[in-house]
Amino acid sequence: GGIITQTPKFLIGQEGQKLTLKCQQNFNHDTMYWYRQDSGKGLRLIYYSITENDLQKGDLSEGYDASREKKSSFSLTVTSAQKNEMAVFLCASRGTVYAEQFFGPGTRLTVL
Amino acid sequence: GDSVTQTEGLVTLTEGLPVMLNCTYQTIYSNPFLFWYVQHLNESPRLLLKSFTDNKRTEHQGFHATLHKSSSSFHLQKSSAQLSDSALYYCALTSSGQKLVFGQGTILKVYL
Repeated sequence: GGIITQTPKFLIGQEGQKLTLKCQQNFNHDTMYWYRQDSGKGLRLIYYSITENDLQKGDLSEGYDASREKKSSFSLTVTSAQKNEMAVFLCASRGTVYAEQFFGPGTRLTVL
Repeated sequence: GDSVTQTEGLVTLTEGLPVMLNCTYQTIYSNPFLFWYVQHLNESPRLLLKSFTDNKRTEHQGFHATLHKSSSSFHLQKSSAQLSDSALYYCALTSSGQKLVFGQGTILKVYL
């Protein structure tokens, strides 16, 4: 088995601030993902990476940057936090057999 | 592109009654993988079921679903709802293996 960890668990920022979220996995999976989850809007893909140093934009990449410097880690940066923004950011990695994704516990963002 | 439709945003049931959550999909690929994820309150999504075999029932933790390619459906069922089944359920599809396309989600609330 393996585990995905996300830090921090809670993130409070100010409007306009640059904020970074981190994700680590020890499954040794190649592909990792960042999703945003808003109440009532399902899961929206922000970025994904199929290998170290690879980045692929998802449907919601505007306003975000990502970085995959190591196979085990994948970071997401909110380039300019929007006032009253509240969402949960979920990191995931993809299994090798059935392409199922395993999710981390999430980072809950609040922007004041 | 690929899409997944979950027609019910909210399903409310009395404990002991059968559960059926609808999922239909669209893809041009003939061999999609379909998934059901469950997300309990303050937790992250967890894989519940997966299938890529036409007309074969797949079961896990009392839930079951059958992929029907003829009708592009993968409905989630359970014979008897329990209070602990109350959660958010996502149907998801991958045809490329790289990206999952999620439905909007169905909240299941089970009452005494």
